[in-house]
Amino acid sequence: EPEVTQTPSHQVTQMGQEVILRCVPISNHLYFYWYRQILGQKVEFLVSFYNNEISEKSEIFDDQFSVERPDGSNFTLKIRSTKLEDSAMYFCASSVGRGPTDTQYFGPGTRLTVL
Amino acid sequence: LAKTTQPISMDSYEGQEVNITCSHNNIATNDYITWYQQFPSQGPRFIIQGYKTKVTNEVASLFIPADRKSSTLSLPRVSLSDTAVYYCLVVSHGSGNTGKLIFGQGTTLQVKP
Repeated sequence: EPEVTQTPSHQVTQMGQEVILRCVPISNHLYFYWYRQILGQKVEFLVSFYNNEISEKSEIFDDQFSVERPDGSNFTLKIRSTKLEDSAMYFCASSVGRGPTDTQYFGPGTRLTVL
Repeated sequence: LAKTTQPISMDSYEGQEVNITCSHNNIATNDYITWYQQFPSQGPRFIIQGYKTKVTNEVASLFIPADRKSSTLSLPRVSLSDTAVYYCLVVSHGSGNTGKLIFGQGTTLQVKP
């Protein structure tokens, strides 16, 4: 079964540094998402992306965050200057469409630790 | 998007049937009910989705009454590996929908031997 992959599985960085989290969505999917989950808390939507544009972003997704699909397979989340509160699991997801019956498939996540 | 309410936690024993009920009083006509499962340190995984009545797949059943204000996820004969967090989501079919999923706190199911 096709799956979403994410690298790295764990990223440790110093406060103020830039990080790039990488995702390879399922190949025929057109809609891409990033979510995050702070330890012990709920999964939170960050951004949705379609046709090389952001479709929607949450309040969390401020100017420090950016997303890109640099080639036909990768989907990246960049945090320009990390803060302690950015420490969380970051999940990438993808779907064929954006309708309610279009299942979103999630990757295994990247655990980001900001020191 | 309709707000969902579900129990924070549930305990069960291996081999038992588990029913997790979710209320979504403000569900709209075009909304679907979707359940995800999440194991520790893993991404959420789709389990089942329905609009009304009953849906069954190889993993679970989903019961939705006629008024659609609640739904019940039924897991038959659970095993220790079913210990996870289960999320009930209401997913919109509106024209402004970008596919965003809104997760609540979910129900932490603990299956005991």
